[in-house]
Amino acid sequence: KAGVTQTPRYLIKTRGQQVTLSCSPISGHRSVSWYQQTPGQGLQFLFEYFSETQRNKGNFPGRFSGRQFSNSRSEMNVSTLELGDSALYLCASSSLSGGSTDTQYFGPGTRLTVL
Amino acid sequence: ELKVEQNPLFLSMQEGKNYTIYCNYSTTSDRLYWYRQDPGKSLESLFVLLSNGAVKQEGRLMASLDTKARLSTLHITAAVHDLSATYFCAVCNSGGSNYKLTFGKGTLLTVNP
Repeated sequence: KAGVTQTPRYLIKTRGQQVTLSCSPISGHRSVSWYQQTPGQGLQFLFEYFSETQRNKGNFPGRFSGRQFSNSRSEMNVSTLELGDSALYLCASSSLSGGSTDTQYFGPGTRLTVL
Repeated sequence: ELKVEQNPLFLSMQEGKNYTIYCNYSTTSDRLYWYRQDPGKSLESLFVLLSNGAVKQEGRLMASLDTKARLSTLHITAAVHDLSATYFCAVCNSGGSNYKLTFGKGTLLTVNP
């Protein structure tokens, strides 16, 4: 079974630009979550989607948005980039089976650098 | 607001020694996770702990959960160099049907020969 895939893997942007990151979950997984990882703040939850609906949102400004498509693929968008948005953005998917092994599987991440 | 605290944040061990990483969380939760992250890589799921008293073991790692004390431990037995990585605990705080994980700051484990 293929894992979670994220594209692109690396991205360099300048302040003020916007960026779109893509995530394809494991086949059959309908829940997709996004996290930001920085050395200073650690891993922080951005949002979670299930069946094209955003169910949870973290404490991030409105510049951060996302969506999920009918095939469960998800995108996140960051507008008006700031230097502080430089981070590793991780996508995770889950089957939400509720079983004892139910967990979130993480993709390789997109490394975003804002200059 | 849910807070998750891990300690120690840095751990340098010798091969063959045992040690424990602690994870405390501030509010009731129905599940706790342990992940491993190698430098420059993504997170690898190690354990999912669902109930009080749950204990899971994989190789030299054993995780346990005490929901009353809001404490989970990750015990390392006879450490080997390959275990060097950053270990995160994470707590789910949105109920059992959806995900919003709050992570600890991670424990950077270095196993020296």
